[in-house]
Amino acid sequence: DTGVSQDPRHKITKRGQNVTFRCDPISEHNRLYWYRQTLGQGPEFLTYFQNEAQLEKSRLLSDRFSAERPKGSFSTLEIQRTEQGDSAMYLCASSVFREQFFGPGTRLTVL
Amino acid sequence: AQTVTQSQPEMSVQEAETVTLSCTYDTSESDYYLFWYKQPPSRQMILVIRQEAYKQQNATENRFSVNFQKAAKSFSLKISDSQLGDAAMYFCAYRREADGLTFGKGTHLIIQP
Repeated sequence: DTGVSQDPRHKITKRGQNVTFRCDPISEHNRLYWYRQTLGQGPEFLTYFQNEAQLEKSRLLSDRFSAERPKGSFSTLEIQRTEQGDSAMYLCASSVFREQFFGPGTRLTVL
Repeated sequence: AQTVTQSQPEMSVQEAETVTLSCTYDTSESDYYLFWYKQPPSRQMILVIRQEAYKQQNATENRFSVNFQKAAKSFSLKISDSQLGDAAMYFCAYRREADGLTFGKGTHLIIQP
């Protein structure tokens, strides 16, 4: 399968722990996006990369959220000191031009 | 900031009938893209149809078509000959250039057999 992949698919953590999610985009897609989707809502844009450059990060929800794409291929999203309000689905998408292709998401549950 | 509004939280249609999902948006830009995405239960988001704002012709993809009214900032999705597999959450989304997508809250589409 050559689609966008995300790992892990599910993560349960305790409040205050750090978590990291990985996204592997479609090969040769130079743009990579992160979104958060809470129950009953549409996805909310967080940040995006063009190759290894992070071109938009003002939408990250707080300074506890950070993302990297060190070699312009896969990306990681880290949440430090998790809170119960961080429980959500975290989606990754990649694109080369107009259309964004989404991965299956990582569902985070913070206890 | 741009916003996307979907005023129908849920719609129901009989199989083989036609249904229209509504979407309005607010932007001060003249060049942008609009999308409809489908999210089946517990499955990933997939693109249904795309419309470029500079194109006057409404986009069509098989049974799916849009009614794009730029002046009214309206972008509705028409699904013809509804099928059971069309049941899903449908999200309207806006994007300018390479920015991230701005989504509406979604419409839950139910297909009655």
